[in-house]
Amino acid sequence: DAGITQSPRHKVTETGTPVTLRCHQTENHRYMYWYRQDPGHGLRLIHYSYGVKDTDKGEVSDGYSVSRSKTEDFLLTLESATSSQTSVYFCAISTLRDRETPTNYGYTFGSGTRLTVV
Amino acid sequence: AQTVTQSQPEMSVQEAETVTLSCTYDTSESDYYLFWYKQPPSRQMILVIRQEAYKQQNATENRFSVNFQKAAKSFSLKISDSQLGDAAMYFCAYRSGENTDKLIFGTGTRLQVFP
Repeated sequence: DAGITQSPRHKVTETGTPVTLRCHQTENHRYMYWYRQDPGHGLRLIHYSYGVKDTDKGEVSDGYSVSRSKTEDFLLTLESATSSQTSVYFCAISTLRDRETPTNYGYTFGSGTRLTVV
Repeated sequence: AQTVTQSQPEMSVQEAETVTLSCTYDTSESDYYLFWYKQPPSRQMILVIRQEAYKQQNATENRFSVNFQKAAKSFSLKISDSQLGDAAMYFCAYRSGENTDKLIFGTGTRLQVFP
């Protein structure tokens, strides 16, 4: 399994405070993603990155920003958390373009961060 | 934009029986990939099976197989000899064959397995 870790695993924060979630990978994959999972909506893409300092918006990007200053780290920031951002957040990496690991063909997900905004 | 639809919010099956989960998608592309992911209560996302659109042969992985109908834009998952450990949320997902590499998910189907 590709080495991908998310931190923290759980977080409770107050409305209006900034929050940063971290995704760390150990295998130098180019593409990284942030999703949020909500009942009835499945997983929805927030932002993604296709290289260092190269990022783009997904379908639910309002209220979120991202940064990728190193290949291995992809940070998701909620500038001013709101209750509507209470969710489970997943980081993922794409291994589809990595021809050196054909057995790892697809996407690998982190364990998720449960964020509660009160 | 591509969309993925899972019309069955919940399904149930008896242990050892067969169940089919439905998925349809909308796209104008001819080259793409489709996936089924399993999410047990542990929250981990686990790849069940994948299908490349250019392959006419349906993918199989042990007890899991798909019925890929490209013209109908349908990608159903069949689970044979269902086991208690198959109980989970199942997500269908679409990946564009272009350079975006974005994965688009359906809303999921919760599968219950009864002994």
